[in-house]
Amino acid sequence: GAVVSQHPSRVICKSGTSVKIECRSLDFQATTMFWYRQFPKQSLMLMATSNEGSKATYEQGVEKDKFLINHASLTLSTLTVTSAHPEDSSFYICSAEKRGAQKTQYFGPGTRLLVL
Amino acid sequence: GQNIDQPTEMTATEGAIVQINCTYQTSGFNGLFWYQQHAGEAPTFLSYNVLDGLEEKGRFSSFLSRSKGYSYLLLKELQMKDSASYLCAVRPPGLNNDMRFGAGTRLTVKP
Repeated sequence: GAVVSQHPSRVICKSGTSVKIECRSLDFQATTMFWYRQFPKQSLMLMATSNEGSKATYEQGVEKDKFLINHASLTLSTLTVTSAHPEDSSFYICSAEKRGAQKTQYFGPGTRLLVL
Repeated sequence: GQNIDQPTEMTATEGAIVQINCTYQTSGFNGLFWYQQHAGEAPTFLSYNVLDGLEEKGRFSSFLSRSKGYSYLLLKELQMKDSASYLCAVRPPGLNNDMRFGAGTRLTVKP
């Protein structure tokens, strides 16, 4: 199997607070995890690539100081949205790469963030 | 850069066959993926093509032509549950194995 979980599945927070989202690969080790953001009726936009034990690689236009990524183990990566604002409200999805011939990414169920 | 194009919406009838096209212009190519995404859920993996030709997996098939920058996803014997968005994603060359997604095609299957 290749199961990826995310927690929480849904979060509502006040503007200015920070929110941490966890992404776990449950039955495999993932040296690389990816974080995406998806606005309504739009496609997934890659935010950053997270490698275990090293700093994340951020896509152009994504603020690394606002979206803190930690990949402390082979099964866990976290995304912290710091000082969240209403425009950060979105669907955040992580994926984990399972090693193999295809190097397929398996997605978590997503976290819906609403900033009031 | 990457430019990935898919039709925005398609409609088909239950039991029929539908083909969803994807064209891409990318600076390098290291594989093409198709994902299915139901509303409010995360994408699920459908297929992967890195060489030219057709890959068949049950009711779903995916085709790739690298010289034309073209792929399609073929869905046979459509079922109502196939109503979803279908995302085409291209993997650029490099060590990160990341993907770049198209905007997705929203398929509606009608009885």
